[in-house]
Amino acid sequence: SQQGEEDPQALSIQEGENATMNCSYKTSINNLQWYRQNSGRGLVHLILIRSNEREKHSGRLRVTLDTSKKSSSLLITASRAADTASYFCATVPYGNNRLAFGKGNQVVVIP
Amino acid sequence: NAGVMQNPRHLVRRRGQEARLRCSPMKGHSHVYWYRQLPEEGLKFMVYLQKENIIDESGMPKERFSAEFPKEGPSILRIQQVVRGDSAAYFCASSSTSTQETQYFGPGTRLLVL
Repeated sequence: SQQGEEDPQALSIQEGENATMNCSYKTSINNLQWYRQNSGRGLVHLILIRSNEREKHSGRLRVTLDTSKKSSSLLITASRAADTASYFCATVPYGNNRLAFGKGNQVVVIP
Repeated sequence: NAGVMQNPRHLVRRRGQEARLRCSPMKGHSHVYWYRQLPEEGLKFMVYLQKENIIDESGMPKERFSAEFPKEGPSILRIQQVVRGDSAAYFCASSSTSTQETQYFGPGTRLLVL
C-alpha cells in the first residue's frame, strides 16, 4: 500500500495566513520529505526530515515528525500567492531509495 | 548547471503505438528513478536504474514497459502498445549516489493516449 498519506484536504487561505497539512504513513522510515508541485509542472524538493529528528525549519517552512504516531506536518507561515500549489509528502523506507508519495494536498492562497 | 531534463514534454500516441520517454539526469548523477503520476494522484515509483543496470523494477508493470540507462546517453522509459490507461505524467528523478537522500526531479513527460 502507498506510504505517505496526506489528509485529503484542499486548503484555501488568505495571503498572510498559515497553512498546515498532515501526512501519515504505515511502516518504519529512514526519512520523510515534502515536495511542492505547481500545476502542470515537476516536483520541487522542499525539506527532508530524518527519522531521528522531530522538527526542522527552512525559511517559512516548519516540518514536524512523530515516529510514534507515524505522522508528519508541514506548516507554511505567512503564506503568499506564490505558495499556491500541491504539496506531497514522501517517505523513504529503510533499505531502499524509493520515494512513496501520498496523493497530495492542494493549497490555494488568495491574494 | 542544468537540472534533470526530460523530453518530450508532451507526447500523443494512438492506442497500439510505442512511446519512448527520455531522461537526462543532472550532471554527475548516475542514479535515475522513474515515477508515474495519474490525474489527481500522487507519484508512484516505477523503476530505479544505475548506469547499465536495473536496480529495482518492483513498480513496473509486468508487460509492455521497459527501462534502460545505457553507458552513454539518456535513460529511456519505453511503453509498447500503449493503451488509454497509460495516459499519465511520467517523471524522472536523479541522485548522485545510492545513499543521497534527495532526488531531483525533471519537469515530466505528459503522455496522452488517444
